[in-house]
Amino acid sequence: QKEVEQDPGPLSVPEGAIVSLNCTYSNSAFQYFMWYRQYSRKGPELLMYTYSSGNKEDGRFTAQVDKSSKYISLFIRDSQPSDSATYLCAMSGHTNAGKSTFGDGTTLTVKP
Amino acid sequence: NAGVTQTPKFQVLKTGQSMTLQCAQDMNHNSMYWYRQDPGMGLRLIYYSASEGTTDKGEVPNGYNVSRLNKREFSLRLESAAPSQTSVYFCASSEVMNTEAFFGQGTRLTVV
Repeated sequence: QKEVEQDPGPLSVPEGAIVSLNCTYSNSAFQYFMWYRQYSRKGPELLMYTYSSGNKEDGRFTAQVDKSSKYISLFIRDSQPSDSATYLCAMSGHTNAGKSTFGDGTTLTVKP
Repeated sequence: NAGVTQTPKFQVLKTGQSMTLQCAQDMNHNSMYWYRQDPGMGLRLIYYSASEGTTDKGEVPNGYNVSRLNKREFSLRLESAAPSQTSVYFCASSEVMNTEAFFGQGTRLTVV
């Protein structure tokens, strides 16, 4: 059983749709929750991070963490073709970013 | 600012050959990491270096060795390549007490 399970996708939506990307986890020690975006043939780049439970908003992106359910989500409002990428959730029990446990990724395509 | 630079970008090896993947960062980060990414399997940590002069095994270290040459450079060596090591390899760096890891653009390695 993996520590982090991510909805596999792929996901294809029309431009302007609301997108929900989700991960579940089993390790209660996780306190830091990150979302990375990875464009095709590029390295991942940090999109958002959240500490403990709650919501965090950045423009069209909202990250939600529910520690009681061990469930995290990334919502994208008014999705754009430029949002087409693979989204990776990552989690850690400490601030050592590179030692996070990553999900397998969900590939999103936003069609114009 | 170059960030994290990996060389080479592409490589084809024959089974049993050796090679070294190079990584350099110009952000003065203490911690550096090597990952492999296989289709549908997310990022798996091979080795990491919390600071200059230290290295530790990650989730999948077998068949690899690393050298933290100085604060900027962290190399990954395959002593006797196997087809199972066909993958995309990412180097990353971060500050110790920071939730963001910065990734290179990746090295696509094929072992035939």
